[in-house]
Amino acid sequence: EAQVTQNPRYLITVTGKKLTVTCSQNMNHEYMSWYRQDPGLGLRQIYYSMNVEVTDKGDVPEGYKVSRKEKRNFPLILESPSPNQTSLYFCASSPYLGPPSGTQYFGPGTRLLVL
Amino acid sequence: SQQGEEDPQALSIQEGENATMNCSYKTSINNLQWYRQNSGRGLVHLILIRSNEREKHSGRLRVTLDTSKKSSSLLITASRAADTASYFCATVSYYGGSQGNLIFGKGTKLSVKP
Repeated sequence: EAQVTQNPRYLITVTGKKLTVTCSQNMNHEYMSWYRQDPGLGLRQIYYSMNVEVTDKGDVPEGYKVSRKEKRNFPLILESPSPNQTSLYFCASSPYLGPPSGTQYFGPGTRLLVL
Repeated sequence: SQQGEEDPQALSIQEGENATMNCSYKTSINNLQWYRQNSGRGLVHLILIRSNEREKHSGRLRVTLDTSKKSSSLLITASRAADTASYFCATVSYYGGSQGNLIFGKGTKLSVKP
């Protein structure tokens, strides 16, 4: 089944304890992206990657890192999580980005609570 | 940078009625997409309309796009309780050096009562 998977789905951690949220897609998509969703703010893009070894900042990259060593994986790393990073995180992928496309396939989400 | 703004923020209707949601955006776009999100779950792509299209249909969904007004509307006809979800518009733009990323609005929360 074509899908985007994220792990873990739920995570409670403490301030400063490094964590990684994994994202994997089995559709051979070039483009992958991370979003966070907060009440009243909608979805905001954190980082995106247009291909292996190519990553770029989105609208809210502070406090996050990503890597794209393989086409299928795009982990999100929080080196020193803080309470303001408590949020619902989504990974997404897309087969291509050139116009007129951009349709993205979303993972199920990771709910993170930083105490 | 938030591009789309949906209106209304929340909408409550009875089953069988039509639901209309609007989206306004600020800059020139290549296409506009609508996504649905069931509570706390991932977003699901519903429909894409290109900047040179004015109207598009998919099942009970009808999307219009008015690039002169920088606005779009999503109409769900004969709504069902299962349509209860949040609906987001998202724009894709390659103008002005934009990378073509999806820029989402804040969403309309639709509640369809049986």
